[in-house]
Amino acid sequence: EDKVVQSPLSLVVHEGDTVTLNCSYEVTNFRSLLWYKQEKKAPTFLFMLTSSGIEKKSGRLSSILDKKELFSILNITATQTGDSAVYLCAKERETSGSRLTFGEGTQLTVNP
Amino acid sequence: GAVVSQHPSWVICKSGTSVKIECRSLDFQATTMFWYRQFPKQSLMLMATSNEGSKATYEQGVEKDKFLINHASLTLSTLTVTSAHPEDSSFYICSAQQGAYEQYFGPGTRLTVT
Repeated sequence: EDKVVQSPLSLVVHEGDTVTLNCSYEVTNFRSLLWYKQEKKAPTFLFMLTSSGIEKKSGRLSSILDKKELFSILNITATQTGDSAVYLCAKERETSGSRLTFGEGTQLTVNP
Repeated sequence: GAVVSQHPSWVICKSGTSVKIECRSLDFQATTMFWYRQFPKQSLMLMATSNEGSKATYEQGVEKDKFLINHASLTLSTLTVTSAHPEDSSFYICSAQQGAYEQYFGPGTRLTVT
């Protein structure tokens, strides 16, 4: 089965806190792991991870992939209220034309 | 950056009618377009994959005669929900991909069937 599991499903923090979001996936037919941020509308792309152990960084966000343990984490440091969103993790399949399987998402709420 | 648009952004229709949703890649040619459906508080579920000029590939459990997909050009794909019913009410999102690069998502279309 093609499954992506995210945890926690929801998280409430205060501004300035650091959060870690988790994503685990099944190994079969794996090409890459992607992170998206979804606010009211469609997801916006954050990171694509293909290699194990190489951290990708964009401002206060960073992400890393562990292909041995089959998981990825998304870190957000010094959170701001604008970080409040659903964060989606998706596995891209190697075959069958790059299809994505999404996890349920983590609803992050950052309170002032 | 790559921009994908969808039209309409929201639509209300009566049960039994058909609705067409357009997905356009505005500044790149999309070799592949994907259609997703998202119910409230749930994640995106892939419905089908379409390549320009060929028939769409539907995911298991998605009725191809109900959700008609046409990918007539490298910048336009359409999804037609035929004989819509209230249970088809959902948020429909398309994404477009050029070659092997990441997918760019459209803003989504909220469909409400009364």
